[in-house]
Amino acid sequence: GENVEQHPSTLSVQEGDSAVIKCTYSDSASNYFPWYKQELGKGPQLIIDIRSNVGEKKDQRIAVTLNKTAKHFSLHITETQPEDSAVYFCAASRRVRFGAGTRLTVKP
Amino acid sequence: DTEVTQTPKHLVMGMTNKKSLKCEQHMGHRAMYWYKQKAKKPPELMFVYSYEKLSINESVPSRFSPECPNSSLLNLHLHALQPEDSALYLCASSQAGRGGDTGELFFGEGSRLTVL
Repeated sequence: GENVEQHPSTLSVQEGDSAVIKCTYSDSASNYFPWYKQELGKGPQLIIDIRSNVGEKKDQRIAVTLNKTAKHFSLHITETQPEDSAVYFCAASRRVRFGAGTRLTVKP
Repeated sequence: DTEVTQTPKHLVMGMTNKKSLKCEQHMGHRAMYWYKQKAKKPPELMFVYSYEKLSINESVPSRFSPECPNSSLLNLHLHALQPEDSALYLCASSQAGRGGDTGELFFGEGSRLTVL
C-alpha cells in the first residue's frame, strides 16, 4: 500500500521567513497530492493540491512542487505569519494516506 | 454550503455502551469517509463509502460499524469499545470516490470520543 513520509516533524521559523515541508511517497500510481492544514480543535482543511501532470503550483504565499521521478513533493510557505502556525499534513491519493504531520510555529 | 457537520462534538461512553456518531453533508458529494485521529498523530483512514456502498474497510475491528443511509448521511455505530479507542473521529466527504484521485476532502470538526 501507499506509504507517505513527511519531514520535519516540527519546524519553528521567525515571522517573515520561509518554511519548507517535504514528503515522499511510495506508490508510483498516486496522481493527486494535497496539503492540509489543521488548527487546534478543527478538522484538516485543504490549502493547496497538485496533480501528477503538473510540476509546480502556486497560490499567493503557498506553493507546492512535485518530482514524480523521485516521488517527492514539497510545500513552500513564504513570508510566514503567526496565523500560519498549525499542523500541516501531506497526503497521496490511493486510499488518501496522510504523512505524519509537521507542527509549524511562526514566532512573531 | 461547504460544511460537513458532525454530532455529537463530545461523547463519553462506557465499554458496554452502544452509541453512534453522525455525519451530514449537503454538497452533493458521493464519497464519505471516517478517519480516527489520536493526539499528535495524523488522521488514519477507517472506512470509505462510495455511492452509498462500502468501498474500503481498513481492517477496522467489528466493534466499529459504519452505515451510509443515503448520500448525505454517514453514521459510525460503536459497541463494546476499549479505552484505547478514545480519539477524535473525523468525517470527510469528496466528489470522487473511486480509485486514486479523490479530489479535495472536506472535513468536519470531529467527534471527540472518550471510552471509560
